[in-house]
Amino acid sequence: QKEVEQNSGPLSVPEGAIASLNCTYSDRGSQSFFWYRQYSGKSPELIMSIYSNGDKEDGRFTAQLNKASQYVSLLIRDSQPSDSATYLCAVAPRRGSARQLTFGSGTQLTVLP
Amino acid sequence: GAGVSQSPSNKVTEKGKDVELRCDPISGHTALYWYRQRLGQGLEFLIYFQGNSAPDKSGLPSDRFSAERTGESVSTLTIQRTQQEDSAVYLCASSPWGSDRELGEQYFGPGTRLTVT
Repeated sequence: QKEVEQNSGPLSVPEGAIASLNCTYSDRGSQSFFWYRQYSGKSPELIMSIYSNGDKEDGRFTAQLNKASQYVSLLIRDSQPSDSATYLCAVAPRRGSARQLTFGSGTQLTVLP
Repeated sequence: GAGVSQSPSNKVTEKGKDVELRCDPISGHTALYWYRQRLGQGLEFLIYFQGNSAPDKSGLPSDRFSAERTGESVSTLTIQRTQQEDSAVYLCASSPWGSDRELGEQYFGPGTRLTVT
C-alpha cells in the first residue's frame, strides 16, 4: 500500500464547475497536510495547508481533512482553465520520525472552457 | 526576494559521465531537499539537509548519488557514472526551520532537466 494515494486522473471538469481532488494516507499519526499545484513543465507550488479536522477555505480553494478516515481533499470552486494542472497531496510524518514530506503521485486536472 | 535557484537548467551527458547539479536555497531557510521527478511521475525524495544535523540520505537510489551542503547555503547533488535511468528533472526545495508546518512549506527551484544519452 502506498503511503499517500491519489487518483491519477485525468479529471476533466467544465469551466465554472467544482473540481474535487482526493487523497488518502496510511500513517494515522500524520498531523500536517499540504496541497501543491504543478503546471506542466514547471515546479510544484504550495497552495493550501491544513492541520485540523474540518474545512479550510482560501478564495476558491477549500481543503478538507478527516483524520479518522485518513482522508484529505481539495475542492476548487468556479474552476477556470488556468486551474488545469497536476495537484499533489503531501503529508508530513508524525513527530519524531523522518523529517520529510511524502508526496502522492498527483491528480491531473483539466478544466474545459 | 530571490527564490530557490538551480543550475544548470538543462544538462545532457553521455552514459558513464559524472554530473554535478547545484541548488541555492532561499536565504534563511535551514532545510533543503532534493527530489527526482521522472516524466509523468510524482516526486521521489532523495536527500534532506537541516542545519548542521547529519543529512537524511534515505532516499538516495544508489551509491552513485551523493550530495553536500555547506552550512545553510548552497548544495550540490553529484551523480557518478550516469545511467540512462537517471534521466529526470532534479528539483531542489528549501523551507524554514523544520516544525511540522514549516516542513510542508517547501519552495521549489525551477529544476535541472538531466538527459543521459
